[in-house]
Amino acid sequence: RKEVEQDPGPFNVPEGATVAFNCTYSNSASQSFFWYRQDCRKEPKLLMSVYSSGNEDGRFTAQLNRASQYISLLIRDSKLSDSATYLCATSYDKVIFGPGTSLSVIP
Amino acid sequence: DAGVIQSPRHEVTEMGQEVTLRCKPISGHNSLFWYRQTMMRGLELLIYFNNNVPIDDSGMPEDRFSAKMPNASFSTLKIQPSEPRDSAVYFCASRPTGPGNTIYFGEGSWLTVV
Repeated sequence: RKEVEQDPGPFNVPEGATVAFNCTYSNSASQSFFWYRQDCRKEPKLLMSVYSSGNEDGRFTAQLNRASQYISLLIRDSKLSDSATYLCATSYDKVIFGPGTSLSVIP
Repeated sequence: DAGVIQSPRHEVTEMGQEVTLRCKPISGHNSLFWYRQTMMRGLELLIYFNNNVPIDDSGMPEDRFSAKMPNASFSTLKIQPSEPRDSAVYFCASRPTGPGNTIYFGEGSWLTVV
């Protein structure tokens, strides 16, 4: 079993839709959590950190459930420019990434 | 500020050749990570360093792979001898020490072994 797992995807959604990504992690020692976005043939870039109380950045909302070892990302009013692969990551000393979920937003 | 700098950006080499990938982390970042990304296996952590010291190399696939960090501003990942299954994108990333800090990636080295 991988240390960090995500929905396999791909997700194909129309513009304006709300889409949710789920991620589970197995190492209870994980201290910090992140969502990264990766465009085709580019490096991953930080989308947002995930805090225990949940946090929001514009159309993006991240949630953390430590008891269930579960992280989520919600994208509201999706745009064409949101099309990318979304990777969750956990950190204790090293940083481990999930396999990513591909999102295509369709006109 | 300069980001993580990797070289070469692209390399095509023949099986059996030695490959050396280079990385310059962001100045002031104490932790450096090497990842490999393929379609089949995703983004795998190969090795990471704290303050130039290798901390965990359990992700290094086999003895053909080695990594060094001789100083705070330079690291190498070497594959000798290279094999076609080593074809992947190799990313270097760095961050300030501490699990709560964001890691920043270089643009990657695209390796093809034929």
